[in-house]
Amino acid sequence: GENVEQHPSTLSVQEGDSAVIKCTYSDSASNYFPWYKQELGKRPQLIIDIRSNVGEKKDQRIAVTLNKTAKHFSLHITETQPEDSAVYFCAASSGSARQLTFGSGTQLTVLP
Amino acid sequence: KAGVTQTPRYLIKTRGQQVTLSCSPISGHRSVSWYQQTPGQGLQFLFEYFSETQRNKGNFPGRFSGRQFSNSRSEMNVSTLELGDSALYLCASSLATSGDTQYFGPGTRLTVL
Repeated sequence: GENVEQHPSTLSVQEGDSAVIKCTYSDSASNYFPWYKQELGKRPQLIIDIRSNVGEKKDQRIAVTLNKTAKHFSLHITETQPEDSAVYFCAASSGSARQLTFGSGTQLTVLP
Repeated sequence: KAGVTQTPRYLIKTRGQQVTLSCSPISGHRSVSWYQQTPGQGLQFLFEYFSETQRNKGNFPGRFSGRQFSNSRSEMNVSTLELGDSALYLCASSLATSGDTQYFGPGTRLTVL
């Protein structure tokens, strides 16, 4: 089955700096890669997603890049703000499956 | 539209009991997936239902089961509870097509004593 690895597990940045979180996946059939943000005690919220026919997608301060050949994808957050502090999860799914395989999460702390 | 709702939000049970959790998807969403979230194992897929049929199943024992009703609401059941079943159980709903966004409910926090 699919295996998703996520790094780093914790990340601290100064407010205004950029943050990058990286994930690798094992199943070459995976074609959908969402990123979720989960604040303490709250539900995971989708922040951005990318499909395998696209190499990069951007939404304001958030961007995701996908390298299908290397089987890795990354989340980039620019101009970080304290409210960006949360746990971020990457995930992958393949074909018609609505089964998401999640990475282990990254605790992002933005220091004011 | 109203978001995904789950009931109850919190549950405390003892070992050996069984529990039923409920999930109401976003209106118009026909697929419901269930996930278990623990500090040690992270977010793990349990199963997915569409049109009252289980389409995918994760690597969990048979004590974990579920069903979906004709209005797309879903329930999951855990029988013979073990201490290790303590977790946040999340459901997510989506439309029926491939690569759909999954929207999560707030979860049910289950504590097994």
